[in-house]
Amino acid sequence: DAKTTQPPSMDCAEGRAANLPCNHSTISGNEYVYWYRQIHSQGPQYIIHGLKNNETNEMASLIITEDRKSSTLILPHATLRDTAVYYCIVPNTGNQFYFGTGTSLTVIP
Amino acid sequence: DGGITQSPKYLFRKEGQNVTLSCEQNLNHDAMYWYRQDPGQGLRLIYYSQIVNDFQKGDIAEGYSVSREKKESFPLTVTSAQKNPTAFYLCASSKVRILSNQPQHFGDGTRLSIL
Repeated sequence: DAKTTQPPSMDCAEGRAANLPCNHSTISGNEYVYWYRQIHSQGPQYIIHGLKNNETNEMASLIITEDRKSSTLILPHATLRDTAVYYCIVPNTGNQFYFGTGTSLTVIP
Repeated sequence: DGGITQSPKYLFRKEGQNVTLSCEQNLNHDAMYWYRQDPGQGLRLIYYSQIVNDFQKGDIAEGYSVSREKKESFPLTVTSAQKNPTAFYLCASSKVRILSNQPQHFGDGTRLSIL
């Protein structure tokens, strides 16, 4: 079962930052938070993951609150190609990933 | 380039027929996974394998079978016992599964339809 909660949909203007929230209030101390996205009819694409420190890579930034009960994925300058479903995942015991329905992000021209 | 290759991209099955979906990876990953995705839904785990010659059932294994004879390959057979096989099938791989810090990497999927 999912250990995360995400809004079902969000819109973002092209060129603006997209901030996608995720709640994971039951996360334990050694569990990581992962973010993936899926563009229609393609396999999920790994974006970023983190434990407790903020993380940044060429795709996005991940901000994890100090209590680790929530996180935000930030796409700094959203483009039309960022329109996708974004999944926030906290793996179960044994690194089992549960992909729920995620957040459908629409980038608007 | 390293990655995961799924084939075919589209597959059609007749009633009562078994079909096999291919998944190959050249990432030297130990663990491999099969997921099923239905329209508008998330992914559901069918089978996974942590090591060659070993695999475990996921949440929806009924009507499916797998083998793991080589590290690089993890084919999925959709048997005639699977009554609703029309779906998008995704294969993934990762480094050692038991570690909680290993992202899974996905192929581009196979879309299976019933004729």
